[in-house]
Amino acid sequence: SQTIHQWPATLVQPVGSPLSLECTVEGTSNPNLYWYRQAAGRGLQLLFYSVGIGQISSEVPQNLSASRPQDRQFILSSKKLLLSDSGFYLCAWSRDREDTQYFGPGTRLTVL
Amino acid sequence: SQQGEEDPQALSIQEGENATMNCSYKTSINNLQWYRQNSGRGLVHLILIRSNEREKHSGRLRVTLDTSKKSSSLLITASRAADTASYFCATGFNTDKLIFGTGTRLQVFP
Repeated sequence: SQTIHQWPATLVQPVGSPLSLECTVEGTSNPNLYWYRQAAGRGLQLLFYSVGIGQISSEVPQNLSASRPQDRQFILSSKKLLLSDSGFYLCAWSRDREDTQYFGPGTRLTVL
Repeated sequence: SQQGEEDPQALSIQEGENATMNCSYKTSINNLQWYRQNSGRGLVHLILIRSNEREKHSGRLRVTLDTSKKSSSLLITASRAADTASYFCATGFNTDKLIFGTGTRLQVFP
């Protein structure tokens, strides 16, 4: 069966510090991968998605970047965090475009 | 702007009652999906309905789709306290991504 992991589960970082959130998927190959951010009590904002290694599509220009160094690994990064980067970050995968998405447990990021 | 908009934004009911949430979208779709999110957790897929389908059932869930009105509804029958969560619709149309709505927060009181 397929599983998706995200870490860390929670993170508190000072403004201006770097960020690296990791997402890995097990039990499938060549998944579509997605990073979302969710503000408290709000909907999901798609940040990045990837249909293959090294292929990254950015949805919202901002202080973040994403990389896919391996088939089942998706990394969200920032060189300098802003207060507005705080939120709940969710990684998801799907087998194909528009297919069911399977979400990880999320990372709660607080920037102080 | 977001493709899906759920209505109502929040819903409070008693156990045993039915809960109905609506989703409206703006453009053509290939499918529409409903997801559930418990507080502080990831989303869980509930049901997918294709654009050529009008109704779909899964346990206590019933989803309808009206492509002429660009809307869908999710009905949860005989609700339980454990159904308390946020519910999101998401649409897909010839892209590599889904567009999620803003969600309905459902509170079921025992």
